[in-house]
Amino acid sequence: ILNVEQSPQSLHVQEGDSTNFTCSFPSSNFYALHWYRWETAKSPEALFVMTLNGDEKKKGRISATLNTKEGYSYLYIKGSQPEDSATYLCASSRDDKIIFGKGTRLHILP
Amino acid sequence: GAGVSQSPSNKVTEKGKDVELRCDPISGHTALYWYRQSLGQGLEFLIYFQGNSAPDKSGLPSDRFSAERTGGSVSTLTIQRTQQEDSAVYLCASSLGEGLARAETQYFGPGTRLLVL
Repeated sequence: ILNVEQSPQSLHVQEGDSTNFTCSFPSSNFYALHWYRWETAKSPEALFVMTLNGDEKKKGRISATLNTKEGYSYLYIKGSQPEDSATYLCASSRDDKIIFGKGTRLHILP
Repeated sequence: GAGVSQSPSNKVTEKGKDVELRCDPISGHTALYWYRQSLGQGLEFLIYFQGNSAPDKSGLPSDRFSAERTGGSVSTLTIQRTQQEDSAVYLCASSLGEGLARAETQYFGPGTRLLVL
């Protein structure tokens, strides 16, 4: 994989349900993996940056894991709330460049 | 504290006109990035400034695009002879610029929404 791929592209989740989505990235020359949340009409906001294989980060109901050997990261949201509706971007830093995925658009249904 | 600011927030222009987009990074951040997001696409890297080093212009899509950063702070992205395919959200971000700057957390501005008619 030379690009950063995110799946699914779009996701509808019932309020209160938990969900997760995937970021795949080149595993060679890896330096860091970033997750950002981008709400409509706002700036992208940093959630996590992870560098080590097996890293797990948590922020409230949101957590992320990292597998640098196989080149993927999962973002988990527990007990989805309306305010979680946003586009979630991941970005891979390698060779002193940063490449963003196209994002997963999450819609929380009331 | 003050975050990254961009102006204008929205810009509508006619094909063939030049436009200038402005970015004010967070004070003390030496690294500055420009990206754009076209409809249905991911964030596309355009240009990167780090301190006094020559900028990385490898993402600029054509020679109609240029950017400068004066005094290591404010940056202006200029698009000459705009085309309809230039319509996008243009985002600026800054980071501290320590070590491997592009591995750092980037702080984004609210973006400029450019529409070329």
